[in-house]
Amino acid sequence: RKEVEQDPGPFNVPEGATVAFNCTYSNSASQSFFWYRQDCRKEPKLLMSVYSSGNEDGRFTAQLNRASQYISLLIRDSKLSDSATYLCALRSSASKIIFGSGTRLSIRP
Amino acid sequence: NAGVTQTPKFRILKIGQSMTLQCTQDMNHNYMYWYRQDPGMGLKLIYYSVGAGITDKGEVPNGYNVSRSTTEDFPLRLELAAPSQTSVYFCASSYSGEGGYGEQFFGPGTRLTVL
Repeated sequence: RKEVEQDPGPFNVPEGATVAFNCTYSNSASQSFFWYRQDCRKEPKLLMSVYSSGNEDGRFTAQLNRASQYISLLIRDSKLSDSATYLCALRSSASKIIFGSGTRLSIRP
Repeated sequence: NAGVTQTPKFRILKIGQSMTLQCTQDMNHNYMYWYRQDPGMGLKLIYYSVGAGITDKGEVPNGYNVSRSTTEDFPLRLELAAPSQTSVYFCASSYSGEGGYGEQFFGPGTRLTVL
């Protein structure tokens, strides 16, 4: 089993829709969890950290489920500008940082 | 702050050539990292450093070398380039301390093609 798995997509949804995707992980010792956004041919940028109690930032909500070992990202009222690849990342030590392969999201008008 | 800067942006190498990818950060971050990203794939850690003078291997270190003589700079050296090293290389930095591991900031990347 891969350490981190993401559905590669693409998710193709209309503007204004709600979309959610998950990232499963196998290492129960993982301590920190993140969602990054990566635009085409650009560097990843942190979208949000994922806290144990779940957290929200505007239209974005991140959840952590330690029992089932997954994190999720929910995007409400999606905008054209949300089109990107979303990478999950988890950290279990100073050096052990694992990125998922990313989920491609395309928002259509 | 310029953040994390990388040079060059693009490079084409012939098999067997060598080159150094430069990375500089001006945020006084103690941790620095080198990743490679192949098309459609996630980031793979090549090497990392927790401070000046300290480096260690990541997941895919073969064919690469690093040094960290200052807090700001973390160059990545490719010796004897091979087609398998064709990739996009990202440098990143973060501050990690008593408060835990901080956010990683990435440079814009270097697109390397080995022919």
